[in-house]
Amino acid sequence: QKEVEQNSGPLSVPEGAIASLNCTYSDRGSQSFFWYRQYSGKSPELIMFIYSNGDKEDGRFTAQLNKASQYVSLLIRDSQPSDSATYLCAVHGSSNTGKLIFGQGTTLQVKP
Amino acid sequence: DGGITQSPKYLFRKEGQNVTLSCEQNLNHDAMYWYRQDPGQGLRLIYYSQIVNDFQKGDIAEGYSVSREKKESFPLTVTSAQKNPTAFYLCASSGIAGGDIQYFGAGTRLSVL
Repeated sequence: QKEVEQNSGPLSVPEGAIASLNCTYSDRGSQSFFWYRQYSGKSPELIMFIYSNGDKEDGRFTAQLNKASQYVSLLIRDSQPSDSATYLCAVHGSSNTGKLIFGQGTTLQVKP
Repeated sequence: DGGITQSPKYLFRKEGQNVTLSCEQNLNHDAMYWYRQDPGQGLRLIYYSQIVNDFQKGDIAEGYSVSREKKESFPLTVTSAQKNPTAFYLCASSGIAGGDIQYFGAGTRLSVL
């Protein structure tokens, strides 16, 4: 079992729809969770982070964390073609090293 | 302008050659990281450093070496022992090694001639 798992996709949604991206992790002691967006050929950029159970909203983005079920999700409301990218889930494990474990990423395609 | 600068943007390596990728940050971050990304894959950790003059191996350190002589700089050398070096290399830094947000440079794309 991979430490951080994501469906590689592609996930295709029409413009204006809600895109839902999911991520599961294996280290039950994980404390911090991050979503990065990566456009083709570019470096990852942070879009959301969440530390506590529940929802965290920032504009059109909502991160959801459920530690008991060991999953974290990202919802993108009113999806735009500019949201088309690969979304990387990253988890900071229980060891105090600063290391992030990345999933392989989910490719999102928003069709006009 | 605060940030992480990686150079060069593109790099070509000849057979048997060592090459060094530069990473400089002016964010006053303590921790720095090197990742490798292959097409369609996530990021894999090569080396990381939490403090000057100290660094640790990540998951795929074989064929790579690093140094951390200054807080701002964390260069990565891809040695001739790395038989499959073609990849996108990303440097990141964070303020507190125990869980702070990692920010990335623009990356270096390395290819073999």
